Amino acid sequence: DAGVTQSPTHLIKTRGQQVTLRCSPKSGHDTVSWYQQALGQGPQFIFQYYEEEERQRGNFPDRFSGHQFPNYSSELNVNALLLGDSALYLCASSIYETGTVLGYTFGSGTRLTVV
Amino acid sequence: AQRVTQPEKLLSVFKGAPVELKCNYSYSGSPELFWYVQYSRQRLQLLLRHISRESIKGFTADLNKGETSFHLKKPFAQEEDSAMYYCALSGGQGAQKLVFGQGTRLTINP
Repeated sequence: DAGVTQSPTHLIKTRGQQVTLRCSPKSGHDTVSWYQQALGQGPQFIFQYYEEEERQRGNFPDRFSGHQFPNYSSELNVNALLLGDSALYLCASSIYETGTVLGYTFGSGTRLTVV
Repeated sequence: AQRVTQPEKLLSVFKGAPVELKCNYSYSGSPELFWYVQYSRQRLQLLLRHISRESIKGFTADLNKGETSFHLKKPFAQEEDSAMYYCALSGGQGAQKLVFGQGTRLTINP
């Protein structure tokens, strides 16, 4: 079992561009949560997807959007990139029924640099 | 508001010495508290949660509701304990997100 897989591992984008990050959850997991980790900070919750719907959202602008597919994989989209969006983006998968945060498995993250 | 504070960004101790990583939280209800660890070039992983009252790799943490703290302790530090440690809270049963502190980088000197 490969656990949680995120792609790409690194990405450089120009301010104003759009970016899509991808996450494949651990086998058997049905819920995907996304976190942003700025340099020197702890991860900050962006949103969570379950049954292809956004279930909860953190304090992030509408430029951040997501999607979950029938196979439980997920995408995080960020429009109109700002320099401040530069961060490590973490995906965490879990099983909704057992209590989402209790069974988190984190991916290695995608390092996004906006120039 | 939910908030987790880890006052020390860096902590350095000698091998064999006791370790205490501080964590204070702010939450109006009954939170669940966690410690996560990230070793060099590895993923973020759960170390322990208060509700299970376990000792993992010699680490323990007691939830003090009066002082709203959840400090992580180990009586004798080992070099392999060097890592980044994050304290986090969730809003209890059914919670859908974690609120993390800024993290403490622990270095164990030989």
